[in-house]
Amino acid sequence: AQSVAQPEDQVNVAEGNPLTVKCTYSVSGNPYLFWYVQYPNRGLQFLLKYITGDNLVKGSYGFEAEFNKSQTSFHLKKPSALVSDSALYFCAVRDKRGGNKLTFGTGTQLKVEL
Amino acid sequence: EPEVTQTPSHQVTQMGQEVILRCVPISNHLYFYWYRQILGQKVEFLVSFYNNEISEKSEIFDDQFSVERPDGSNFTLKIRSTKLEDSAMYFCASSEASGSSYNSPLHFGNGTRLTVT
Repeated sequence: AQSVAQPEDQVNVAEGNPLTVKCTYSVSGNPYLFWYVQYPNRGLQFLLKYITGDNLVKGSYGFEAEFNKSQTSFHLKKPSALVSDSALYFCAVRDKRGGNKLTFGTGTQLKVEL
Repeated sequence: EPEVTQTPSHQVTQMGQEVILRCVPISNHLYFYWYRQILGQKVEFLVSFYNNEISEKSEIFDDQFSVERPDGSNFTLKIRSTKLEDSAMYFCASSEASGSSYNSPLHFGNGTRLTVT
């Protein structure tokens, strides 16, 4: 069965500093990995995905994520955080053997302060 | 940019009543999903739908739940007899089927907040 772990419930960072939101995954086949962001009272917005190829993928709003097969991780990063980045972030995985659904982690609340 | 739209945004119902949550997926998408989120926490998979039938469902999706695509645009989730624990935010999502569907992200609506009293 496919699963995702986000070990931090909350991450606090100062504006202008780099941010990292951690994610590790477990699948039986090759992983298809996704990051989503959720603002209050809104749906989940797609940020970026890793399917194959370059381990560093770039996405919306200056976010990027690094795929590490040996550590089964897919951490979300941004070189310089903005206050407007404050939101709930979800990592998700899809495994062909798990069907077409995405399985989500428990979410990490990112708080960027001035 | 095309969007998934959900109605109503908020539904209040009494325990034991039937509710229907409605969704209009993105027009060229062929995979449809329902997820729920309780108290802004984990996003839980309920069901996926493709080619006019359920392709996968979770343990949560018991006999009280059903889905339907009654016409070419709507996708509905029905809860036959609501319980207090069904109170949650319900999200509809859709994804493309062109090429490898595994590459396609899900596109989510803004959700329906269901409150069962």
